[in-house]
Amino acid sequence: RKEVEQDPGPFNVPEGATVAFNCTYSNSASQSFFWYRQDCRKEPKLLMSVYSSGNEDGRFTAQLNRASQYISLLIRDSKLSDSATYLCVVNPAYNAGNMLTFGGGTRLMVKP
Amino acid sequence: EAGVAQSPRYKIIEKRQSVAFWCNPISGHATLYWYQQILGQGPKLLIQFQNNGVVDDSQLPKDRFSAERLKGVDSTLKIQPAKLEDSAVYLCASSLGRREGHEQYFGPGTRLTVT
Repeated sequence: RKEVEQDPGPFNVPEGATVAFNCTYSNSASQSFFWYRQDCRKEPKLLMSVYSSGNEDGRFTAQLNRASQYISLLIRDSKLSDSATYLCVVNPAYNAGNMLTFGGGTRLMVKP
Repeated sequence: EAGVAQSPRYKIIEKRQSVAFWCNPISGHATLYWYQQILGQGPKLLIQFQNNGVVDDSQLPKDRFSAERLKGVDSTLKIQPAKLEDSAVYLCASSLGRREGHEQYFGPGTRLTVT
């Protein structure tokens, strides 16, 4: 079983739609969680951290469910510029330092 | 502020040849990482440095891959000899430190094709 699993997609949605991605992780001791965004042929960039209480940044909302070991990302009012691959990222162990394990990514395509 | 620099951006070699990649992290960043990203997959951590010391290299194929950060700033990653399955993008990242809250910033990567 992969440490971090994501549906690879692609998710094809029209502009203005709401889209949600889920991600599951295998290590129950994982401590910190993130969503990164990667544009085609570019480097990954941090989109947002995911806190136990959930967090929101504009049109983006991230949630963490420790009991079920999954993380979600909700994008409201999708823009063409949201088209990218979204990587679910986990720091897998307590006090392991800044070690990140990446999922395979979910590809989003927003159409006009 | 300048970002993470990597060179070359692209490299094509034949199998069994050797290749080296270079990374210059963001100024002041003590921690440096090398990742391998195979097409269609997420990045996989190969090695993590703290200043000039190796923190973790458990996923580095040490029979053919080596990396160094001798003066605690720039780093090189070498593959010798290369195999077809080494075709990937090699990403370098840096962060202020090893604390979990320290964001990792990625360079543009080196796209390696092994033929």
